[in-house]
Amino acid sequence: EVKLQQSGDELVRPGASVKMSCKASGYTFTDYAMHWVKQSPGQGLEWIGTIIPLIDTTSYNQKFKGKATLTADKSSNTAYMELSRLTSEDSAVYYCARGLGAYVMDAWGQGASVTVSS
Amino acid sequence: DIRMTQSPASLSASLGETVNIECLASEDIYSDLAWYQQKPGKSPQLLIYNANSLQNGVPSRFSGSGSGTQYSLKINSLQSEDVATYFCQQYNNYPNTFGAGTKLELK
Repeated sequence: EVKLQQSGDELVRPGASVKMSCKASGYTFTDYAMHWVKQSPGQGLEWIGTIIPLIDTTSYNQKFKGKATLTADKSSNTAYMELSRLTSEDSAVYYCARGLGAYVMDAWGQGASVTVSS
Repeated sequence: DIRMTQSPASLSASLGETVNIECLASEDIYSDLAWYQQKPGKSPQLLIYNANSLQNGVPSRFSGSGSGTQYSLKINSLQSEDVATYFCQQYNNYPNTFGAGTKLELK
């Protein structure tokens, strides 16, 4: 069974950074891309970026360049996303999702809520 | 960015009814379209990709159609477990973009 287990919810101060994880199991981690998606009440679903763990290549939505940094650790089958210089606009639920083909997302993590508040 | 406009924003239907949800792209996306179902408090799940290909394990009462800029998701014989929000996503152009969602409730 394909499973993506995300790290827990975070409460962070404005201006801080947060790094979240997504541990994959049930498939060969390097055979698939990993996408990250933001879901907020005002903006719906937004694609943040994608990492291809096999070759450590990343692609970002222009909107999130400088905000998000994607990495992957092949030894532990874990993908990471770091969000920097957090503001209230970054408060949302963030999902990792396995890539099927291009940008189709065929398995999703349970989501991690980030709340930015002082 | 390509804008994906879903309609209706919400709808209410009875058990056993057939439901249609529309998705209009701001330009031709050449059938590079997926549909996702998100049940309350859960993560999205892939239903359809390439406009009309049913994802493994998805009930056959779900189907997708369309081409060019106009696409639709059809749910035959609505079941209680189909109560959810449905999103379309285009992946033909960078960046891939999602519709705002259609919330489906039972009447």
